[in-house]
Amino acid sequence: DQQVKQNSPSLSVQEGRISILNCDYTNSMFDYFLWYKKYPAEGPTFLISISSIKDKNEDGRFTVFLNKSAKHLSLHIVPSQPGDSAVYFCAASPNSGYALNFGKGTSLLVTP
Amino acid sequence: NAGVTQTPKFRVLKTGQSMTLLCAQDMNHEYMYWYRQDPGMGLRLIHYSVGEGTTAKGEVPDGYNVSRLKKQNFLLGLESAAPSQTSVYFCASRSPGGGFVIGEQFFGPGTRLTVL
Repeated sequence: DQQVKQNSPSLSVQEGRISILNCDYTNSMFDYFLWYKKYPAEGPTFLISISSIKDKNEDGRFTVFLNKSAKHLSLHIVPSQPGDSAVYFCAASPNSGYALNFGKGTSLLVTP
Repeated sequence: NAGVTQTPKFRVLKTGQSMTLLCAQDMNHEYMYWYRQDPGMGLRLIHYSVGEGTTAKGEVPDGYNVSRLKKQNFLLGLESAAPSQTSVYFCASRSPGGGFVIGEQFFGPGTRLTVL
């Protein structure tokens, strides 16, 4: 049973605009949430994370928002750039020692 | 500092053949993981290890075995390959976390395996 869900398989955004990628989870024990970015033929690379004690974490153009009551998190990319075109995976873990549960990914295309 | 490396990058097997995928990390991480990625399925955990000499099952362990004889290496074995094991396999190691900080997982470049 998928505990981390990314319901949008793909998203297309114009360069300079905001990209919003969404993720929902079902396990209330999850305390850590991460976003990974993956280019074709490469392994995923870590982008940004947030723990359940926060509702927002920002790193440059990337911001992750966490809504625990709704079991929902989102990744905002502002402004979007063509180099951001990749598959983005949402992942979650019940504590810092556990393996990650991944969503199925959202393919982002940023067009010039 | 090579990070996480995987050998081989590509492999084609016939049904019933065996093979071992090698993962190596030079970051002195305790935790290591093997995932598989299939189209539309995201990454699913096969096995993991919390330290040298230890292994544990993940979400989809059937048909695979693992060994962690040395801290820096994590081996994934297929004893009798099946077409359902056609996939891209990713190895990862995790940096220490603690408190409210989760350790980052570093992934290798992947091994693309086809079983005919």
